[in-house]
Amino acid sequence: QQQVKQSPQSLIVQKGGIPIINCAYENTAFDYFPWYQQFPGKGPALLIAIRPDVSEKKEGRFTISFNKSAKQFSLHIMDSQPGDSATYFCAASTQGGSEKLVFGKGTKLTVNP
Amino acid sequence: NAGVMQNPRHLVRRRGQEARLRCSPVKGHSHVYWYRQLPEEGLKFMVYLQKENIIDESGMPKERFSAEFPKEGPSILRIQQVVRGDSAAYFCASYSTLNTEAFFGQGTRLTVV
Repeated sequence: QQQVKQSPQSLIVQKGGIPIINCAYENTAFDYFPWYQQFPGKGPALLIAIRPDVSEKKEGRFTISFNKSAKQFSLHIMDSQPGDSATYFCAASTQGGSEKLVFGKGTKLTVNP
Repeated sequence: NAGVMQNPRHLVRRRGQEARLRCSPVKGHSHVYWYRQLPEEGLKFMVYLQKENIIDESGMPKERFSAEFPKEGPSILRIQQVVRGDSAAYFCASYSTLNTEAFFGQGTRLTVV
């Protein structure tokens, strides 16, 4: 039972493009939605996170859009750079993030120079 | 300012042997989660521990797997009588109640031959 569905599985963009990664969830008890970035051979690192009381959050070039009624959220990367090439995971949790994270399957992003 | 330390980084075991994975959380963090990542998959929750207590082990296989987080020392994930299907990357994450951000270690990549 996959509680967080992520798409696309892979994404290729040119430098400066705006990749968009989408996630959908089922459990309405989720109240914390982080995005993680993972480079090969490394652990996931928190990029940005949102709670359902806001519809958008921006940190630097990374923006989360959140649609509570549709139970969907997405990550946008502005002015993407080759150094952004990594695998991105969305996740969800309850209790404000103090409970276990449920991860999507990941999106492998390649940003070409 | 040491982050989450996991060792070993790589572990090779023959079928039937035991694997012991260690995780030292961020200093001052008393909550530890273990996740397993299969190739091309997201991370899947295994177990949630606080010092000397197992809080949630709903993601742990019923047999051969055990985890502990003693009062002193690292958290240990133990896999007895390993099988090829146990080959995966195992990540530990820690956090404190002051901040719900979970910090991940670099993982232990277990290969069962």
